[in-house]
Amino acid sequence: QQQVKQSPQSLIVQKGGIPIINCAYENTAFDYFPWYQQFPGKGPALLIAIRPDVSEKKEGRFTISFNKSAKQFSLHIMDSQPGDSATYFCAASFSGNTPLVFGKGTRLSVIA
Amino acid sequence: DAGVIQSPRHEVTEMGQEVTLRCKPISGHDYLFWYRQTMMRGLELLIYFNNNVPIDDSGMPEDRFSAKMPNASFSTLKIQPSEPRDSAVYFCASGWTGNETQYFGPGTRLLVL
Repeated sequence: QQQVKQSPQSLIVQKGGIPIINCAYENTAFDYFPWYQQFPGKGPALLIAIRPDVSEKKEGRFTISFNKSAKQFSLHIMDSQPGDSATYFCAASFSGNTPLVFGKGTRLSVIA
Repeated sequence: DAGVIQSPRHEVTEMGQEVTLRCKPISGHDYLFWYRQTMMRGLELLIYFNNNVPIDDSGMPEDRFSAKMPNASFSTLKIQPSEPRDSAVYFCASGWTGNETQYFGPGTRLLVL
């Protein structure tokens, strides 16, 4: 059973566009929702994270929107750049230092 | 800080051989996680430790897999005997109590022929 579903699998946008990646979760006990960015040959790195008591969080060009009733959250990348080309993973975990449950990932390509 | 260190970065072995993957977490971190990444299944937890004690190993595929953390600065993941379906990228991540951020190492790419 896939607890975190992510879409789309891949995404191509032009430079300056706003790619949106969506995730849905099933377990309402999840309490922490991070997004990780992974470049080829590297490990995932935390990009931004949100808790369910907040509907939106913005850090630089990256924004998470969170809809608790729908059990969905999404990542928006404003003014996307070729350097943003990477694989993005949404994840969820319970409170405390518990393991992350990852979505399958979205491969983003930003073309100039 | 050097970040999470994993070795080897690449490993090619033959079916039936023993494989040992190594991880050095960030100094001061008291949580350590082992994940496996494959195209089919994505990133999945294998096992995690807190203060060197295994907390949850339900993700370990079978008895061929074992993990240890003899001290706060070192962990191993062993596969014996290895099989072609074990081919994947294995990541180690560390974190500390009160901060849910997990810091991932560069991974070990394992190919079992």
